[in-house]
Amino acid sequence: AQSVTQPDARVTVSEGASLQLRCKYSYSATPYLFWYVQYPRQGLQLLLKYYSGDPVVQGVNGFEAEFSKSNSSFHLRKASVHWSDSAVYFCAVASSGSWQLIFGSGTQLTVMP
Amino acid sequence: AQTIHQWPVAEIKAVGSPLSLGCTIKGKSSPNLYWYWQATGGTLQQLFYSITVGQVESVVQLNLSASRPKDDQFILSTEKLLLSHSGFYLCAWSLGGGYEQYFGPGTRLTVL
Repeated sequence: AQSVTQPDARVTVSEGASLQLRCKYSYSATPYLFWYVQYPRQGLQLLLKYYSGDPVVQGVNGFEAEFSKSNSSFHLRKASVHWSDSAVYFCAVASSGSWQLIFGSGTQLTVMP
Repeated sequence: AQTIHQWPVAEIKAVGSPLSLGCTIKGKSSPNLYWYWQATGGTLQQLFYSITVGQVESVVQLNLSASRPKDDQFILSTEKLLLSHSGFYLCAWSLGGGYEQYFGPGTRLTVL
């Protein structure tokens, strides 16, 4: 079965520290991978996407993610977090031509000042 | 630039009452459209998708229905609400299957 696992339900870091949010996927086809962010009482905003090519993709606000086919992972990173990065982050997977977008359970990020 | 608008922003409804939620996309011709449901603090569950006017496919059965009466409009409805319908409803659009989806601001539904 196709699935996305975000093993960390909650992550707390200090402002200025580096960040990694983990995402593992199980998908039979070639995956298209996404990270979204959701601020309280808002919709989801796309942070970055991976379709093919360079396994490290850059997104908005200094976020990047690295695709690893051997590890079935797509971890999100940021070199230095800001308090405004506090939100819920979702990893999602789709495949070419598919209408289905499968989401992980999300990681609540709290950045301490 | 594309804009996506959802209405209403929030609803408080009684069990057994009808419901209609709407979504409009401006600035994009013939988008693929999607409805999602999110429980409080939970992940997103895709409910319906539509690739063209008048055509809607159901992904999960939650006693809800959807319609696409116009190219830029997507409606979610039910004749009889259940307590389990409470949550956050999100509309999204994409250029096609597999492409990234862009989400609206959502409608918060509370069923009492």
